[in-house]
Amino acid sequence: KAGVTQTPRYLIKTRGQQVTLSCSPISGHRSVSWYQQTPGQGLQFLFEYFSETQRNKGNFPGRFSGRQFSNSRSEMNVSTLELGDSALYLCASSFTGGSTEAFFGQGTRLTVV
Amino acid sequence: GQNIDQPTEMTATEGAIVQINCTYQTSGFNGLFWYQQHAGEAPTFLSYNVLDGLEEKGRFSSFLSRSKGYSYLLLKELQMKDSASYLCAVKSNYQLIWGAGTKLIIKP
Repeated sequence: KAGVTQTPRYLIKTRGQQVTLSCSPISGHRSVSWYQQTPGQGLQFLFEYFSETQRNKGNFPGRFSGRQFSNSRSEMNVSTLELGDSALYLCASSFTGGSTEAFFGQGTRLTVV
Repeated sequence: GQNIDQPTEMTATEGAIVQINCTYQTSGFNGLFWYQQHAGEAPTFLSYNVLDGLEEKGRFSSFLSRSKGYSYLLLKELQMKDSASYLCAVKSNYQLIWGAGTKLIIKP
């Protein structure tokens, strides 16, 4: 079965712009989590969506937002981009979230210049 | 606060054994995951521990002590392809808290 698909793979934006990233989970998975990965900080949790509802949220500013559609696809939006937002953004899907194994997409590499 | 600590980097020799430690302090505990991440790739699931003790899966084993807030990943018969980052994550109140990862370098 198809894995987790994230688009685009690479993105270059300038400060102040906004960006939308997309994640299509594995078919049948209803939980989608988003993470930011940087060399110094490791994986930082952004938020989790389950059945179109945000179930958990990490400690990121309001510029980071997301949503989930009825087909479980999820989007993440970052507004007013800052240089520090440059990172690898990973999406992970799982059947119910929590204790079940999560499957990661290849990520979107965002560079803010 | 919630905190997970892992060594930043470790080096080992091909064919040898290496143990990667993970200590955690979280407000809740519902299980601990280990993931492997090769450079430029997505993390992939290795193991999940929810009860104390050792879980063995081929060359990889994972140990958990909930009373000590401690886990380790044991890799035996190291191969060059094991060069990767190893991520420890704790499920706490339905959220995964991640360590920064341990970069494992395998030398011939």
